[in-house]
Amino acid sequence: EAEVAQSPRYKITEKSQAVAFWCDPISGHATLYWYRQILGQGPELLVQFQDESVVDDSQLPKDRFSAERLKGVDSTLKIQPAELGDSAMYLCASSSGTNSPLHFGNGTRLTVT
Amino acid sequence: KNEVEQSPQNLTAQEGEFITINCSYSVGISALHWLQQHPGGGIVSLFMLSSGKKKHGRLIATINIQEKHSSLHITASHPRDSAVYICAVRYRDSNYQLIWGAGTKLIIKP
Repeated sequence: EAEVAQSPRYKITEKSQAVAFWCDPISGHATLYWYRQILGQGPELLVQFQDESVVDDSQLPKDRFSAERLKGVDSTLKIQPAELGDSAMYLCASSSGTNSPLHFGNGTRLTVT
Repeated sequence: KNEVEQSPQNLTAQEGEFITINCSYSVGISALHWLQQHPGGGIVSLFMLSSGKKKHGRLIATINIQEKHSSLHITASHPRDSAVYICAVRYRDSNYQLIWGAGTKLIIKP
């Protein structure tokens, strides 16, 4: 079964450094989501793409976070500069439409020291 | 206000017991999702419902549109079912955003 690929699996970085995460959704899935999940809490949507367009980034801290999906396929989420409070699991999910099941990647666990 | 409420927050049961997790929501939805997350693991989509009932193995999900309520049932529960189960709802009037419940932490003891 096709999967959503994310890398790296783990990332440790010092505060004030830049960090980037990559996601490759299931082929043909037009909708891509980036979620942040702090330990013990539910996922928080950071950004939602429909093809290459951002349809919801209302919860994205735009002073330090950026996301792109240039060709409407894979996507990159960047944090610059990283802060201690950014330590969390960053999850990517994709779906074939806004009313279709979500498929999640294994996530990137970020630790900021 | 578009919210999703799950109950119970925590549930511990013995292996073999029948498990029910509940989810209540408000106003009109386009779809309801049940998802599973094992400790330290990724999230797996179990069901997406807009009406009726779906079954997959020992898992059954039902939704009652009139009562704005959904249930996730696990028959013949097993320790490997121990996980957090999350209900998430897509509301029609929220630009189709997915609103997540707080999750139900299930522990099945052998």
